[in-house]
Amino acid sequence: EAGVAQSPRYKIIEKRQSVAFWCNPISGHATLYWYQQILGQGPKLLIQFQNNGVVDDSQLPKDRFSAERLKGVDSTLKIQPAKLEDSAVYLCASSLGSTGGDQETQYFGPGTRLLVL
Amino acid sequence: DQQVKQNSPSLSVQEGRISILNCDYTNSMFDYFLWYKKYPAEGPTFLISISSIKDKNEDGRFTVFLNKSAKHLSLHIVPSQPGDSAVYFCAASDLGNAGKSTFGDGTTLTVKP
Repeated sequence: EAGVAQSPRYKIIEKRQSVAFWCNPISGHATLYWYQQILGQGPKLLIQFQNNGVVDDSQLPKDRFSAERLKGVDSTLKIQPAKLEDSAVYLCASSLGSTGGDQETQYFGPGTRLLVL
Repeated sequence: DQQVKQNSPSLSVQEGRISILNCDYTNSMFDYFLWYKKYPAEGPTFLISISSIKDKNEDGRFTVFLNKSAKHLSLHIVPSQPGDSAVYFCAASDLGNAGKSTFGDGTTLTVKP
């Protein structure tokens, strides 16, 4: 079974530029998550999709971050414009669903390491 | 306000001994808990989980204990192996809130040969 795919693996941009990340979840997983992990901290949830609907985006800085999952499969996360403090690893994860128990186990991709100069 | 705390940033143990990683939480709505393991340059991988209706779950060398009254859980690794050296994250979910997970900041475990 293929895991969660993310691209690119690394990205270096200058502040005020825009950047986009792509994620393809495990086949059949209804729930998709985007996390931001700053060095030395745990992953922080940015947005959670259930199929193509947003379940939680309370911690997404909506003035600069946007995400979509148009067909309920893969997803893109965009930052525009980027700030220095956006330097982090952006992790995508997927799970079977949010109905509880083992379906809560999240499977993570390798992440995209973003450096904003 | 950090709802999931791992107060020990690092832990070093000798190969073959027990590793105990601790996690505290503050939100009484959390009812499902998970441990993830992370190697450098990789995403976290699921290790073991426990529901709030249990106080112990065991999987091979890994056991998770949950003390609901103290809002505390721990991960025991016995015996520890050098390959266990990684960052371990504790996560807590509120299954009634779409299963949203909150992660701790991680504990770096080093197992010395």
